[in-house]
Amino acid sequence: NAGVMQNPRHLVRRRGQEARLRCSPMKGHSHVYWYRQLPEEGLKFMVYLQKENIIDESGMPKERFSAEFPKEGPSILRIQQVVRGDSAAYFCASSPPGRMNTEAFFGQGTRLTVV
Amino acid sequence: ELKVEQNPLFLSMQEGKNYTIYCNYSTTSDRLYWYRQDPGKSLESLFVLLSNGAVKQEGRLMASLDTKARLSTLHITAAVHDLSATYFCAFDTGNQFYFGTGTSLTVIP
Repeated sequence: NAGVMQNPRHLVRRRGQEARLRCSPMKGHSHVYWYRQLPEEGLKFMVYLQKENIIDESGMPKERFSAEFPKEGPSILRIQQVVRGDSAAYFCASSPPGRMNTEAFFGQGTRLTVV
Repeated sequence: ELKVEQNPLFLSMQEGKNYTIYCNYSTTSDRLYWYRQDPGKSLESLFVLLSNGAVKQEGRLMASLDTKARLSTLHITAAVHDLSATYFCAFDTGNQFYFGTGTSLTVIP
């Protein structure tokens, strides 16, 4: 059973370009969470999705950021018109249906660098 | 307002010593998690604590949960260099896993 898969692992974008980060949850998991981590800081919640639904996006910046988790395929975190301040590690985590009192399992992260 | 406070934020300890990391949280959640993160790496789950009074041990690490005090502890026994990492506690709000600021642990030979 493969773990949470994120790609790419490293992404370099110029200011103004778009960044698309992908996350495939663990097999059987239907809950996906995206977090952002700045250097030397903790994890900041961005969004919680279930298949085809955004459950909680209270941590998402109002502009330029969007997330989806389609019926088929990976979850996508999209950042439009990237700025230097978007440089960070973005982690995806997944958990099973009904949560079942289990922890979230994290992917290896995508390290975004905006130049 | 949701809050998770860990202390200390930075901890430098000698090999062989014992120490405790504290995690205070602001809600009535009874599901508390501890994770470890090595530099440049992802988060590894250490412990899942699901009820008041829960205690779990793995090797030199032991975690406990007091839901009435809204406090969890991570106790390190006879530290070794391999334990150097950042440790995060997190509680489950139902919609997210809300993380503390992390405790950066360095074990010195």
